Amino acid sequence: EDQVTQSPEALRLQEGESSSLNCSYTVSGLRGLFWYRQDPGKGPEFLFTLYSAGEEKEKERLKATLTKKESFLHITAPKPEDSATYLCAVDKDTGRRALTFGSGTRLQVQP
Amino acid sequence: GAGVSQSPRYKVTKRGQDVALRCDPISGHVSLYWYRQALGQGPEFLTYFNYEAQQDKSGLPNDRFSAERPEGSISTLTIQRTEQRDSAMYRCASSSGIGGAEKSYEQYFGPGTRLTVT
Repeated sequence: EDQVTQSPEALRLQEGESSSLNCSYTVSGLRGLFWYRQDPGKGPEFLFTLYSAGEEKEKERLKATLTKKESFLHITAPKPEDSATYLCAVDKDTGRRALTFGSGTRLQVQP
Repeated sequence: GAGVSQSPRYKVTKRGQDVALRCDPISGHVSLYWYRQALGQGPEFLTYFNYEAQQDKSGLPNDRFSAERPEGSISTLTIQRTEQRDSAMYRCASSSGIGGAEKSYEQYFGPGTRLTVT
């Protein structure tokens, strides 16, 4: 059965304290892995798509990496405005376009 | 340009009533998706369309749920004879196309419709 597991469930950081969020997946035939940011009361906001092991993408203080079993979202010197829930999702290489999401990591960055 | 819009943003209905939730995708986006999101969880797939054709409805919970996109743009998710367990946030997303370009797969979400069945 396809599974997407995110850890930790919640993370509290001090401003400037770098850390990583993990997304592990068991999917046969991965077509893409997606990272989203979700603020309270809003829809998920697209961040990155990763397609192959070894791929990395960056956006401001965020960097996403992908291996054959997991993805990391590295947050460098976070600021309070980075506080949000970060969701990862996988798209299988079956022609089916449904994304399978993890439960997310709730990040809180304190000033 | 404008993002994905959904209406209504909030809907309270009595058990047994039918509801229709509307999604207006990003202009020109070929693919449209419906998800349901419980509190503290990621979105769960319901169904998706390419143009007006429903490609996959395997995530619809039962036959009380249906969706259409008659002109390949706006979509409506209809829930008949609502039950309390249908209460959730319903989210719509769209992506640009069915081609092989990477960006065609990126799904952009709307703000959702919060459905409460009393």
